[in-house]
Amino acid sequence: GNSVTQMEGPVTLSEEAFLTINCTYTATGYPSLFWYVQYPGEGLQLLLKATKADDKGSNKGFEATYRKETTSFHLEKGSVQVSDSAVYFCALRNDRGSTLGRLYFGRGTQLTVWP
Amino acid sequence: DGGITQSPKYLFRKEGQNVTLSCEQNLNHDAMYWYRQDPGQGLRLIYYSQIVNDFQKGDIAEGYSVSREKKESFPLTVTSAQKNPTAFYLCASSTGANSQETQYFGPGTRLLVL
Repeated sequence: GNSVTQMEGPVTLSEEAFLTINCTYTATGYPSLFWYVQYPGEGLQLLLKATKADDKGSNKGFEATYRKETTSFHLEKGSVQVSDSAVYFCALRNDRGSTLGRLYFGRGTQLTVWP
Repeated sequence: DGGITQSPKYLFRKEGQNVTLSCEQNLNHDAMYWYRQDPGQGLRLIYYSQIVNDFQKGDIAEGYSVSREKKESFPLTVTSAQKNPTAFYLCASSTGANSQETQYFGPGTRLLVL
């Protein structure tokens, strides 16, 4: 089946530190992969996505590369800011079978950045 | 501005009461989804609809019901059969059957039991 496993939090960093949040997936075929971000009390916003192997998604200084050989899509940022404090979700979409269009989410990783 | 609206922001339910959460989108999207979010559990799919007048159960449909009479609306009813309804409920939509398409999320409704 389809599933996503992501690094458990919480993650606490100082401003300007390097961030990695690990994400691995299980899926048949060729899923699309996404990172969403959720700020306190809000819905989810798309942060970046990649739709095929070796694609790199990037946005607001965040990057993630779709690695089919390791079934991974790790999120990285070179220098985090206090405003990056949020919950980050890794997700996949796999349109094989009858579950067309649905996303499968990881459990989320809480990131807190201190000044 | 195009987007997804959910109302109310907070909703209180008494024992044995059914409550309905509203979700409206003006993005002209065919597909709509309802997710439940609990602390430490990520998002779990309740129901989804790929087209008007059609919907399918997700992973945790028991105690919930939906309708899709209009393209832009996908209300979720939390029935009295749902014994643990306290959670954050998120509605989403997407253009449809393309695996590269992004899902867009509403701001959520927090349901609390009195």
